Amino acid sequence: DTAVSQTPKYLVTQMGNDKSIKCEQNLGHDTMYWYKQDSKKFLKIMFSYNNKELIINETVPNRFSPKSPDKAHLNLHINSLELGDSAVYFCASSHRHTQYFGPGTRLTVL
Amino acid sequence: AQKITQTQPGMFVQEKEAVTLDCTYDTSDPSYGLFWYKQPSSGEMIFLIYQGSYDQQNATEGRYSLNFQKARKSANLVISASQLGDSAMYFCAMRESGGTSYGKLTFGQGTILTVHP
Repeated sequence: DTAVSQTPKYLVTQMGNDKSIKCEQNLGHDTMYWYKQDSKKFLKIMFSYNNKELIINETVPNRFSPKSPDKAHLNLHINSLELGDSAVYFCASSHRHTQYFGPGTRLTVL
Repeated sequence: AQKITQTQPGMFVQEKEAVTLDCTYDTSDPSYGLFWYKQPSSGEMIFLIYQGSYDQQNATEGRYSLNFQKARKSANLVISASQLGDSAMYFCAMRESGGTSYGKLTFGQGTILTVHP
C-alpha cells in the first residue's frame, strides 16, 4: 500500500532520447509536485499541480512537460535528453502542509 | 539570497547521545512552514517533523524535536538518543504559502549525520 509510487526506479538512456517517468499517489491528495535532486544532493522544485491544474513552473526548460491525467497521477515527460538532465527526480503529493515523497527515479543520460 | 541555510555539511554523534542540526531561514511571508526530511543512503525522502510559523509550541515527534526560534529565524532539529539508523542526510525546508496549502518547498543544502557506535 505504497503512498506515492514512481516508475521506473532507474532509467539509463542515451542523449537525445525521449523518456517518461510516472507518478501515482493513493493518499487522495489534491496537489502533486516534481522535484529534481542534482549530483550535489540539492533539491529544487520543478512543477506543481493542484487538481490537475499547473500552478508552479520553475523556469524548467520546455523539454520537460508534466501531465496530470487525474488527481492521483502526475507524469513527467522529457524530450531530447541532455547529459545535464542526469539526476534523481522525486514526485511528491500534499494535503494541507506536509509533502510526501515518492522513492525517486534515478535518471542517467549517457 | 539563500532562503534556507544549513551551515553544517557533516555532523558526528555517538550512539545514544543527542545531536542538534542547524537551520536558518529567510522570509518576509508571515505565514510559512518549516520541515525536516531525512534521506538515508537508500535515497528516499522521509518526512520527520513540521513547524508552522504561528505555532506557539515547538514541534515534537518521538525522538525528534524542532527548536523554533522565530526572532532568530532558526529551526534546528534535535535528535535525542541517537541510533545507528539515524545516519543519513538531513534536509531543512520551508514552505512560504501566503495562505495557500500548496506552496513549493525550498530546501537547504543538507547535513550528513553519522552516528558512531
